[in-house]
Amino acid sequence: DTGVSQDPRHKITKRGQNVTFRCDPISEHNRLYWYRQTLGQGPEFLTYFQNEAQLEKSRLLSDRFSAERPKGSFSTLEIQRTEQGDSAMYLCASSLRRSFSTNEKLFFGSGTQLSVL
Amino acid sequence: RKEVEQDPGPFNVPEGATVAFNCTYSNSASQSFFWYRQDCRKEPKLLMSVYSSGNEDGRFTAQLNRASQYISLLIRDSKLSDSATYLCVVKTSYDKVIFGPGTSLSVIP
Repeated sequence: DTGVSQDPRHKITKRGQNVTFRCDPISEHNRLYWYRQTLGQGPEFLTYFQNEAQLEKSRLLSDRFSAERPKGSFSTLEIQRTEQGDSAMYLCASSLRRSFSTNEKLFFGSGTQLSVL
Repeated sequence: RKEVEQDPGPFNVPEGATVAFNCTYSNSASQSFFWYRQDCRKEPKLLMSVYSSGNEDGRFTAQLNRASQYISLLIRDSKLSDSATYLCVVKTSYDKVIFGPGTSLSVIP
């Protein structure tokens, strides 16, 4: 499978615990995005990377959230001291950003569904 | 104000109907525009890009009005398989990709 893969598909945790999600993008893609989606809402931007550089992190995101893409390939999203409000689908997307074009097609993984009890 | 706003919906239309979705964006320097489709419990997938001159792909027509910061999607001859949530997407001047809240469409037999 050469698409975007996310692991795990589902995560149930207790409030206060730390969780980490992994995203493996399409291999030649240089951009990687993290979004959060709750029922009835569109994907909410969290952060994105160009290769290993984190270009922006949403101002709505608390310090409990951190993301890395250490070698410019896979990425991890960690949530520390989880709260019930963190329950959502966490989506990862990758794209090939070319300098000569503003067009950018995002390919999404199937997401990680987080439930905080 | 949200960066991307859409008709709240839901839209319930009979098969064969024409339906239009509207979207507005706040950053006048935004670069690129798209419509994505998301089926229930699935990930979003690109439906079509939106070009300044307007563009068509089969039954789907997208329009962009930069002066009004407005994007539209028209679906003609609706099919049952068109039932989904349609997401307006904007690539901002800061080069990040922002999704609107989505508009739900149900096509009824």
